[in-house]
Amino acid sequence: EVQLLESGGDLIQPGGSLRLSCEVSGLTFSNYAMSWVRQAPGKGLEWITAISKSFKTYYADSVKGRFTISRDNSKNTLYLHMNSLRVEDTAVYYCVKDLDYWGQGTLVTVSS
Amino acid sequence: DIVMTQSPDSLAVSLGERATVNCKSSQSILYNSNNKNSLGWYQQKPGQPPKLLIYWASTRAPGVPDRFSGSGSGTDFTLTISSLQAEDVAFYYCQQYSTPQWTFGQGTKVEIK
Repeated sequence: EVQLLESGGDLIQPGGSLRLSCEVSGLTFSNYAMSWVRQAPGKGLEWITAISKSFKTYYADSVKGRFTISRDNSKNTLYLHMNSLRVEDTAVYYCVKDLDYWGQGTLVTVSS
Repeated sequence: DIVMTQSPDSLAVSLGERATVNCKSSQSILYNSNNKNSLGWYQQKPGQPPKLLIYWASTRAPGVPDRFSGSGSGTDFTLTISSLQAEDVAFYYCQQYSTPQWTFGQGTKVEIK
């Protein structure tokens, strides 16, 4: 059974940093591109970043220069490093494998 | 970026009736390698992650009931629920994946009339 388990969400002050993790099991992690998609409270889905199986990275303009996606294939884990956090980054963050597998999400709240 | 626009924002349909959600892309999302449109549909219920229903515009994901179908070409796509069930009450999102920078429609809320 494929499972994606996010962790690291927290309440953080504006300007702060946070690292999210997504541990993947049930598949050969290194074979797949992975993405992070977020959802602000009561809002729709926003793709923010992806990393290919060859480690090429892509970012939405809203997070470019502040967020960094990375992966550790030896640990079957995807990461999202978030710096200079803003109130508008408050959201549930989902890790996604291709289109078909989503984690349950982890909540990041940016507030003073 | 490719902009995805859904209509309507919400709709209420009687149980057993047809529900139709539309999605328009700002440009072609055709994947030349297989001549298919890179269009997905998701269902999201409160407190849950999105669930993939349809990919390549018209291919049902494993385990998805056959009352859900996708159609369309060019820049206009449709999700149809042929006979609405109570468990289909949810938000529905279209998504393009023709580039690594995915984009989603704003969502459509489907309710029971």
